[in-house]
Amino acid sequence: SQQGEEDPQALSIQEGENATMNCSYKTSINNLQWYRQNSGRGLVHLILIRSNEREKHSGRLRVTLDTSKKSSSLLITASRAADTASYFCATDRGSTLGRLYFGRGTQLTVWP
Amino acid sequence: DSGVTQTPKHLITATGQRVTLRCSPRSGDLSVYWYQQSLDQGLQFLIQYYNGEERAKGNILERFSAQQFPDLHSELNLSSLELGDSALYFCASSVKAGEGEQFFGPGTRLTVL
Repeated sequence: SQQGEEDPQALSIQEGENATMNCSYKTSINNLQWYRQNSGRGLVHLILIRSNEREKHSGRLRVTLDTSKKSSSLLITASRAADTASYFCATDRGSTLGRLYFGRGTQLTVWP
Repeated sequence: DSGVTQTPKHLITATGQRVTLRCSPRSGDLSVYWYQQSLDQGLQFLIQYYNGEERAKGNILERFSAQQFPDLHSELNLSSLELGDSALYFCASSVKAGEGEQFFGPGTRLTVL
């Protein structure tokens, strides 16, 4: 069963613009992670934010977490055509076993 | 390159057949996870092993089984295949069994005809 729900399902922007994707989840979590997947390929880990953190940065990526609203957002600044991919949020549902629960993803298309 | 390898990359087989998917985790990673990605179900966790022992089970059918060997590589066995088993199967690994990022392999695309 899915845990996260990404919004929007698809996003189309021009190079240089910022892209914001949102993720909502339903249970308590230890951490939330964002992954990227180029078409039909393996997932690449982007960033992990712990439940006691509110914001985290990595290069052009900025992730926020609001545990009271059970939501997270991923901001990609100054998007490039190479950022075109699907972006997934994943949570652990509060478990320490390690299994991840993924959302359906946001398909981001960045036009040159 | 995540350091996780999966073979084969593509597999085409017929209904009723049995296949084995292989995964080698990153050097030093003790935990291996298997996920299935399909258009219908999205990314679903199947099963997790840690240092040779099963750690967690998810939406894995009884027709599917897995194991992790002493050298830490893992195999996912799919039997009595059905059309609906067509999907991308990913293996991921991590250092610890719990928190932390997972490193995903390139996947095996299984097509059941």
